[in-house]
Order: sequence, then C-alpha cells, then structure tokens
Amino acid sequence: AQTVTQSQPEMSVQEAETVTLSCTYDTSENNYYLFWYKQPPSRQMILVIRQEAYKQQNATENRFSVNFQKAAKSFSLKISDSQLGDTAMYFCASTSKTSYDKVIFGPGTSLSVIP
Amino acid sequence: DTGVSQNPRHKITKRGQNVTFRCDPISEHNRLYWYRQTLGQGPEFLTYFQNEAQLEKSRLLSDRFSAERPKGSFSTLEIQRTEQGDSAMYLCASSLELAGGEQYFGPGTRLTVT
Repeated sequence: AQTVTQSQPEMSVQEAETVTLSCTYDTSENNYYLFWYKQPPSRQMILVIRQEAYKQQNATENRFSVNFQKAAKSFSLKISDSQLGDTAMYFCASTSKTSYDKVIFGPGTSLSVIP
Repeated sequence: DTGVSQNPRHKITKRGQNVTFRCDPISEHNRLYWYRQTLGQGPEFLTYFQNEAQLEKSRLLSDRFSAERPKGSFSTLEIQRTEQGDSAMYLCASSLELAGGEQYFGPGTRLTVT
C-alpha cells in the first residue's frame, strides 16, 4: 500500500525560531501532488502548502517553504519565524498512485511553539 | 458560503445502532470526500464523489458503511450496526474538480460507540 511517513511524532520550537518537519513518501508515478496540511487543536484542517512534482522549484507560502527532493522522495516543511498560532498537528500528504483525487495522509507531527 | 459544515458534531451511540452523518460542502465544489481519523493518526480515505457519482471506495469501507450524495450537493454517511471500532472522527472535505486541488475540510463528526 502507498504510504506517507513522518518520522517525528512530536516537535517543539521556540517562538521566532525556525523548525523543519520531515516527510517521505512512496510512489512510482512521475507526476503527483504533495501537500502539508495543518490541524490546530479542535479546529479544522487547512492547507498550508502544495507542490506539484513536475515543478522543480520549491513551493513557498509566506513563512512556510518546502524542500522537495524528488529522487529521494522527500518533502520537508520549514516554518520560519515560528508563531504561537503555528502550534498544531501537521500532516504530510500525497496524491495516490491511482488518482489525483485521492490523497494519502501521513500520521502527523505534533508541533508546539513555546513562548 | 462559510465553508464545509458537518452535523452532528458529536454522536454517542450504543453498539449495534445505526448512525447517519451529514456533510454540506462549499456550494461550488463538485467533489466531496469522506475520511476517518483516529486519535494520533492522519485521516484515512473512505470514499469520494464527483457530483452525485461515487467514484472510489476504500477497502476500509465495509458493507456496514454507505455514503450517498443524491443531488450532488450534501452527502450522508451511514454506519449500520455500529461497533466499538467505529469510534473515530469522521471528516468531510470538498474541492473543485482540479487535479491535486486543495481540499477544504469540515470540523468533523466525532463518533463514540459505547
């Protein structure tokens, strides 16, 4: 079965510092999509950032950026200038081998931003 | 439109009872997804619709589970003869018909089977 792996169940970072969350995935496809979703405590999941695999350039969204290593099947998320509101579960996800519509999620990394 | 809504937010039921959850997607979204999320895990895909057509079902979706989207708008997920293992958060999401498009999630329905 296709899997997305997040090897860091929990992480913490001091406010204003930078943190990197790791993610690896498996796929035999040449094109696919990768995502980082954020799920704050007791709140809805929202998209943080999205990457199309055929694009070499790493996606960025304000303080959030990714390091996409296609050959290594690695997709890490860097959060710069961490803020208290960044405290959340972060899920890495990939479109499936069979469909661009079906998304496979990793187990998540719980990030705590410490004041 | 204020986003994806789900009702009820919480449901406690006794083992063996049937439950039904409702999801109202963002109005212009023609794709609708159901996921199950257990504590400490990421969402697991259950099924999805494009308009009223159910396009894919996960093997997780046993014959006790059925989902419908009769008019291509809201969707219902029914679980018959609930078991304790069905206790989880059931998430609904919707999206535009776009390859690899962003999914917008609802707040979820937390099911507890006693």
